[in-house]
Amino acid sequence: ETGVTQSPTHLIKTRGQQVTLRCSSQSGHNTVSWYQQALGQGPQFIFQYYREEENGRGNFPPRFSGLQFPNYSSELNVNALELDDSALYLCASSHRDYTEAFFGQGTRLTVV
Amino acid sequence: AQKITQTQPGMFVQEKEAVTLDCTYDTSDQSYGLFWYKQPSSGEMIFLIYQGSYDEQNATEGRYSLNFQKARKSANLVISASQLGDSAMYFCAMRQTGANNLFFGTGTRLTVIP
Repeated sequence: ETGVTQSPTHLIKTRGQQVTLRCSSQSGHNTVSWYQQALGQGPQFIFQYYREEENGRGNFPPRFSGLQFPNYSSELNVNALELDDSALYLCASSHRDYTEAFFGQGTRLTVV
Repeated sequence: AQKITQTQPGMFVQEKEAVTLDCTYDTSDQSYGLFWYKQPSSGEMIFLIYQGSYDEQNATEGRYSLNFQKARKSANLVISASQLGDSAMYFCAMRQTGANNLFFGTGTRLTVIP
């Protein structure tokens, strides 16, 4: 079992609302990466945070934003939710080069 | 551009038998890493095994081994002595050296039959 915890595990939101997802990091790790996994697909990279700074972003619009805190935990914020945002959101805690990358159990977001 | 292809949407294996899950990749980089993850129905991605592009020996971790054929750009996962708990989705992923993301394939659903 990893030390990476995501909260909440499930939630349902209405189109147009905003959501915040949270991720703890493993002790000793300074990097958190967020991924979106649509049903039946592999995870897709949203962005990465390294030492509280965004360190790269995938092909996601600006309404997906994030934060990393001094203890290296992280938040993913999504504004103006759309139906297509319904997915499993995974975070990975690691060293910067993805060594010892541990994923959380994910947050399953449903937008109705 | 990078690409990961997993051509087997689903695989079945008898308990205690070995199974090979296929993964081919495409990259123009010489330095990269290949990963395999297991995703049970709970959703968590569990790291199984890693192979660096310059590693001369195939990686092994317990019942998992990676059959790395660099010239063919193939990184197949071999699971020996399958167990019922091995039933899950399996994802192959690649990271180009210096990149900040893993690039995943579409996965293979493995079902172990008693």
